[in-house]
Amino acid sequence: SQQGEEDPQALSIQEGENATMNCSYKTSINNLQWYRQNSGRGLVHLILIRSNEREKHSGRLRVTLDTSKKSSSLLITASRAADTASYFCANDMDTGRRALTFGSGTRLQVQP
Amino acid sequence: DGGITQSPKYLFRKEGQNVTLSCEQNLNHDAMYWYRQDPGQGLRLIYYSQIVNDFQKGDIAEGYSVSREKKESFPLTVTSAQKNPTAFYLCASSRRRDRGVLLNTEAFFGQGTRLTVV
Repeated sequence: SQQGEEDPQALSIQEGENATMNCSYKTSINNLQWYRQNSGRGLVHLILIRSNEREKHSGRLRVTLDTSKKSSSLLITASRAADTASYFCANDMDTGRRALTFGSGTRLQVQP
Repeated sequence: DGGITQSPKYLFRKEGQNVTLSCEQNLNHDAMYWYRQDPGQGLRLIYYSQIVNDFQKGDIAEGYSVSREKKESFPLTVTSAQKNPTAFYLCASSRRRDRGVLLNTEAFFGQGTRLTVV
């Protein structure tokens, strides 16, 4: 069964604004990862945050992780039209299962 | 170029036929995965393999089969038992272990195969 849920399901903003996406999961994890998917394409890895980390930055991306609430957020600052895509969180569970479990995704539309 | 290649990009299947989707990687990754994505949805795990000649069922393995005879290759067969196979199929690979130590690593994805039943 799907572990992760994301909200919002869809988000539309203007260029230059910030976009925040949230992700929740159900079990303990080794790490949580965020991916981007352009329409009809494969996924591209954006950032990984380990279970003992609380915040991580990469360029215009900021990820937070709250293991007590089993939640994570992805913030894209100063968004651009090229950021338009679907964004997925994926958790690497701390169990015998050795494969990423993906959330349902957030579709981000950045209006120029 | 290093990467992961899926073929074909588009595939049409008649009802009752088996079809095989190809996935090849030259990243020297130990682990490979197959996911299914339906329109507007997230990814669901079909099968995964941590090492050659070994694989495990994911959440939706019924109607699918895989093999892992070579490290570079992880083909997925969609059998006639899969009643609703029309979907976008994504293959991925990752490093999982280094000298026996489990790594926290990213997955690299292919560009996908869109399968349609006609």
